[in-house]
Amino acid sequence: EAGVAQSPRYKIIEKRQSVAFWCNPISGHATLYWYQQILGQGPKLLIQFQNNGVVDDSQLPKDRFSAERLKGVDSTLKIQPAKLEDSAVYLCASSLGPGDGEAFFGQGTRLTVV
Amino acid sequence: GQQLNQSPQSMFIQEGEDVSMNCTSSSIFNTWLWYKQEPGEGPVLLIALYKAGELTSNGRLTAQFGITRKDSFLNISASIPSDVGIYFCAAISGAGSYQLTFGKGTKLSVIP
Repeated sequence: EAGVAQSPRYKIIEKRQSVAFWCNPISGHATLYWYQQILGQGPKLLIQFQNNGVVDDSQLPKDRFSAERLKGVDSTLKIQPAKLEDSAVYLCASSLGPGDGEAFFGQGTRLTVV
Repeated sequence: GQQLNQSPQSMFIQEGEDVSMNCTSSSIFNTWLWYKQEPGEGPVLLIALYKAGELTSNGRLTAQFGITRKDSFLNISASIPSDVGIYFCAAISGAGSYQLTFGKGTKLSVIP
């Protein structure tokens, strides 16, 4: 079974530029999560999708971050404009359903904003 | 928001020793999970717990879902060098949002 795929693995941008990350969840997984992990900290949930609908985006900085999952499969997370404090690893995870605790993670995208 | 207090923050142990770490919260959760993360990788699920009082093992790892539903612990027996990594507790409240919240992690170092 293929795991959660994320791209790119690494990205370096200047502040005020925009960036987008892509995630392809495990086939058949209805729930998709985007997490931000700052160095030395635990993952922080940014947004959670159930199929193509948003379940929770309470911690998403909506002035600069956006995410979509148009067909209920792949998802993209965008930051525009980026700030220095956005430097982090962005992790995508998926699970069968919202109450199914067994979320599987991709390798993440390491973003550096200079 | 809901917070998970994980301790200890870091541990240095001798190979062969047993390890214990725990996670507490002031909130009640329906599911507790333990993940391990190695450098450059995403977290990998080790154990999932779905019922208060449940004790589950996965090889040398044992985890328990606290009876109050506000805590969980993870034990690793007879540690080996490949146990090195950061261990995270995570929990789901189930109160509508099913948000998966993570603790800050326990960094484990094993001295051969």
